[in-house]
Amino acid sequence: GNSVTQMEGPVTLSEEAFLTINCTYTATGYPSLFWYVQYPGEGLQLLLKATKADDKGSNKGFEATYRKETTSFHLEKGSVQVSDSAVYFCALSDREYGNKLVFGAGTILRVKS
Amino acid sequence: EAGVTQFPSHSVIEKGQTVTLRCDPISGHDNLYWYRRVMGKEIKFLLHFVKESKQDESGMPNNRFLAERTGGTYSTLKVQPAELEDSGVYFCASSQGRIGVSGSYEQYFGPGTRLTVT
Repeated sequence: GNSVTQMEGPVTLSEEAFLTINCTYTATGYPSLFWYVQYPGEGLQLLLKATKADDKGSNKGFEATYRKETTSFHLEKGSVQVSDSAVYFCALSDREYGNKLVFGAGTILRVKS
Repeated sequence: EAGVTQFPSHSVIEKGQTVTLRCDPISGHDNLYWYRRVMGKEIKFLLHFVKESKQDESGMPNNRFLAERTGGTYSTLKVQPAELEDSGVYFCASSQGRIGVSGSYEQYFGPGTRLTVT
């Protein structure tokens, strides 16, 4: 079945550091890929998405590129802020499976000032 | 436009009791999903409604869980009787898109219900 693996955390960075959170997936079809973020005390929010190979999703300075050859969708940001501290979830969906989301375990990001 | 709402935000019950969680999707969204995150692990799919019909309930852990979606509007998830391992955060999400049709099917999540079974 479909699955998502993302790097374990917590990841602790200083403000303005470069961020990479690795995410790889296994899928039988042609999934769409997502990054969701959960800020403290809040629900899940869609951060960015990519629906086909080589697409790049971007939002709030975060980027991720859909790499079919390496089955990856790594999240990057050039300069993190304290306000980026949150839990980040990589996920995929496949319309042949009703678009239900398959999530990775989540990565806690802590940014220190 | 109101987002997805869930009630209650937090519930603490004893083992063996019954709890009912409620989700109100975004108006006009035919698709409603339930997910849960147990003990800091990955968020897992429970089931999917299209309007009032269960499209996929393959993620429901056992028959102690019962989900309904009255008239294709709000949904309830009942756990009866609750066990310790049911503790976790239950998320509801809704989307507009139609199954098998490409386009906007982004899922919008509610804030979740934190369930604690003691």
